[in-house]
Amino acid sequence: AQRVTQPEKLLSVFKGAPVELKCNYSYSGSPELFWYVQYSRQRLQLLLRHISRESIKGFTADLNKGETSFHLKKPFAQEEDSAMYYCALIDAGNMLTFGGGTRLMVKP
Amino acid sequence: DGGITQSPKYLFRKEGQNVTLSCEQNLNHDAMYWYRQDPGQGLRLIYYSQIVNDFQKGDIAEGYSVSREKKESFPLTVTSAQKNPTAFYLCASSPPGTERNTIYFGEGSWLTVV
Repeated sequence: AQRVTQPEKLLSVFKGAPVELKCNYSYSGSPELFWYVQYSRQRLQLLLRHISRESIKGFTADLNKGETSFHLKKPFAQEEDSAMYYCALIDAGNMLTFGGGTRLMVKP
Repeated sequence: DGGITQSPKYLFRKEGQNVTLSCEQNLNHDAMYWYRQDPGQGLRLIYYSQIVNDFQKGDIAEGYSVSREKKESFPLTVTSAQKNPTAFYLCASSPPGTERNTIYFGEGSWLTVV
């Protein structure tokens, strides 16, 4: 069975500092990976997916199959980035598995 | 206005009672999901359904039951067998094909057992 691990429950940085939210996965097939974000009092929403190779709100994530990782990065954190971030993997059967989540706090 | 609607938003239940959470979507999505969100534990999959009249257990299905009689509806029943039912429950859906990995979430339902 697939598994998604986010080792940090809380990450606190100062505004303007670089941010890296870690995500590791285990899956026997070819994974599709995502990052979801939940801002305060809002619905969980898709931030980015690895197949798109896109940058959203300054965030990027690269799939590293050798290290089975999909870390989320941003060079300069903003206060509005404070939120709960979830890494997720979808398998061939459409089962979406989430990591435990990391709360990012960006201090002024 | 298209989307996923969960109801009720807040629900109190006495210990030993079953309770059903509603999830309706008008997005014409095939797949629907139920997750439980606990502080410090993230999102855990309870059940998911890829098509009508079919569903699979997720990681924490014990004490829960679902049905998928209609494409747009995927209700979750929290039974008295669920040992620790107080939690935040999230319903989600996704379309088929190349967009299958685009998951849409409801606003959630808070269940408190008193």
